[in-house]
Amino acid sequence: EAGVAQSPRYKIIEKRQSVAFWCNPISGHATLYWYQQILGQGPKLLIQFQNNGVVDDSQLPKDRFSAERLKGVDSTLKIQPAKLEDSAVYLCASSSWDGGTDTQYFGPGTRLTVL
Amino acid sequence: GNSVTQMEGPVTLSEEAFLTINCTYTATGYPSLFWYVQYPGEGLQLLLKATKADDKGSNKGFEATYRKETTSFHLEKGSVQVSDSAVYFCALSQGGSEKLVFGKGMKLTVNP
Repeated sequence: EAGVAQSPRYKIIEKRQSVAFWCNPISGHATLYWYQQILGQGPKLLIQFQNNGVVDDSQLPKDRFSAERLKGVDSTLKIQPAKLEDSAVYLCASSSWDGGTDTQYFGPGTRLTVL
Repeated sequence: GNSVTQMEGPVTLSEEAFLTINCTYTATGYPSLFWYVQYPGEGLQLLLKATKADDKGSNKGFEATYRKETTSFHLEKGSVQVSDSAVYFCALSQGGSEKLVFGKGMKLTVNP
């Protein structure tokens, strides 16, 4: 079974530029998550989708971050304009119902450096 | 709100040493508890989980027991190997399809 795919793996941009990340979840997984992992910290949820609807975006900085999952499969996370503090690894995860608890499976992440 | 507090490293051990990584949580109700591991250059992988009090999760020689009375989920391994060198994250979730709340992670290095 293929895992969660993310691209690009690395991205370097200057502040005020825009950037987009792509995620393809495990086939059949209805729930998709985007996390931000700043160096030295644990991942923090940015947004959670159930199929193509948003379940939780309470920690998404909506003035600059946006995300979509139009057909309930792939998802794109965009930052516009980027700030220095957005430098982080952006992780995508998808979940399967595991008999009582959703187990989240993570992609390799996209490492963003904002200069 | 929900939170996870775990031992912060980095920690360096010799091969075959005993490992304990402490993790405590704050949550209402009965969360599910997880340990995730991040090997160098790789993504997060689920190591083990427990969904109710007194459950023991185990995998690859690692174990953790869900202790509601002490709100803890400490990770243990009797004999670590060089290949266990990684960053370990404790996390919780509540309800179905709920977000994971992570601790800060602990970097473990095992020397031969």
